[in-house]
Amino acid sequence: ETGVTQTPRHLVMGMTNKKSLKCEQHLGHNAMYWYKQSAKKPLELMFVYNFKEQTENNSVPSRFSPECPNSSHLFLHLHTLQPEDSALYLCASGSTGTGNTIYFGEGSWLTVV
Amino acid sequence: AQTVTQSQPEMSVQEAETVTLSCTYDTSESDYYLFWYKQPPSRQMILVIRQEAYKQQNATENRFSVNFQKAAKSFSLKISDSQLGDAAMYFCAYTRRGANSKLTFGKGITLSVRP
Repeated sequence: ETGVTQTPRHLVMGMTNKKSLKCEQHLGHNAMYWYKQSAKKPLELMFVYNFKEQTENNSVPSRFSPECPNSSHLFLHLHTLQPEDSALYLCASGSTGTGNTIYFGEGSWLTVV
Repeated sequence: AQTVTQSQPEMSVQEAETVTLSCTYDTSESDYYLFWYKQPPSRQMILVIRQEAYKQQNATENRFSVNFQKAAKSFSLKISDSQLGDAAMYFCAYTRRGANSKLTFGKGITLSVRP
């Protein structure tokens, strides 16, 4: 238990579906992150939010839409995804107060069919 | 741009033996942090150890220790008395100090432990 909770843990969706991934952190951190981990690629940073404001969008396609209503919650809204978007999506949180250490959730496995 | 390189894709160690995982990085910053994360088959990313660049002393956490060579930009992880539960993918990561920082990861190394 790292204090970062992701739901759902597994998601299967069709290419025309709309779904969302949710992340919640109980650590009092000010920054939250979405990372993508595919089988053949290294960890890819997708988005960074700091005090609810987006500070990084790493050229992510618009079919991925993040939302950060407060410093404890982060969503990733998914629509019209492609099969190549199937991957493990990892949420993380961190703070300058923790020496920039970030802590990860258990991940959400996404399969696009 | 910062880069983190883990050149060994796989390593194997006998149970109870010691293994060293290599990592090099490139940065123009002088104040930063380095990390090793472990990702077991469950895929949960677990922080193993952290090193602050301005500290000359190598970080240690129980059986895990690092060899931090700032001038050479090298950051290796030593696992002593290897256990079966140490089998996992290990990622080296870098971040500069300060707000809005982000982790840059290496490609990872798969460590297997032979009983």
